[in-house]
Amino acid sequence: RKEVEQDPGPFNVPEGATVAFNCTYSNSASQSFFWYRQDCRKEPKLLMSVYSSGNEDGRFTAQLNRASQYISLLIRDSKLSDSATYLCVVISGAGNNRKLIWGLGTSLAVNP
Amino acid sequence: DAGVIQSPRHEVTEMGQEVTLRCKPISGHDYLFWYRQTMMRGLELLIYFNNNVPIDDSGMPEDRFSAKMPNASFSTLKIQPSEPRDSAVYFCASSFKYSNQPQHFGDGTRLSIL
Repeated sequence: RKEVEQDPGPFNVPEGATVAFNCTYSNSASQSFFWYRQDCRKEPKLLMSVYSSGNEDGRFTAQLNRASQYISLLIRDSKLSDSATYLCVVISGAGNNRKLIWGLGTSLAVNP
Repeated sequence: DAGVIQSPRHEVTEMGQEVTLRCKPISGHDYLFWYRQTMMRGLELLIYFNNNVPIDDSGMPEDRFSAKMPNASFSTLKIQPSEPRDSAVYFCASSFKYSNQPQHFGDGTRLSIL
């Protein structure tokens, strides 16, 4: 099993739809989680951190499920500009033994 | 504010040549990361530095790869000799902390080894 797994998609949704992605991780000791967005031929950019209690930023909601070891990203009222690849990153360990593992990303295409 | 600056943006060279990629992190950031991204393997962490000291280079694929950070504002990733399978996008990123602060990426270097 990979340490961090994402459904590669692509997810094709119409404008205005609600779409959700999951990212599963294998290390139960993982402690920090982030969602990044990457546009085609561009660098990854931070979308949001994922907090234990869940967090929301406008149309975006991130949640952490420690029992089932996954994080999720929900996008409401999707826009054409949301089309991108969404990467999750999971950090585990402490001090110089920290490990940072990226998922391969989930591709989203929002269609008019 | 200036972000992470990488150079060159594109590099095309023949196999066997030495390749040097450069990175200037965001001022004040004490962590610097080098990544390689390909379609097949995604984003792979090659090495990271804390306060100019290499902490974890377990992601460096082989001895042909080396990285240095002589000061807080400059780092290099060198491939010598280069091979076609090294073709990828190489990103440099910096952050203020490791765990709970986001990483800021440079624009990347698109490397093609012929």
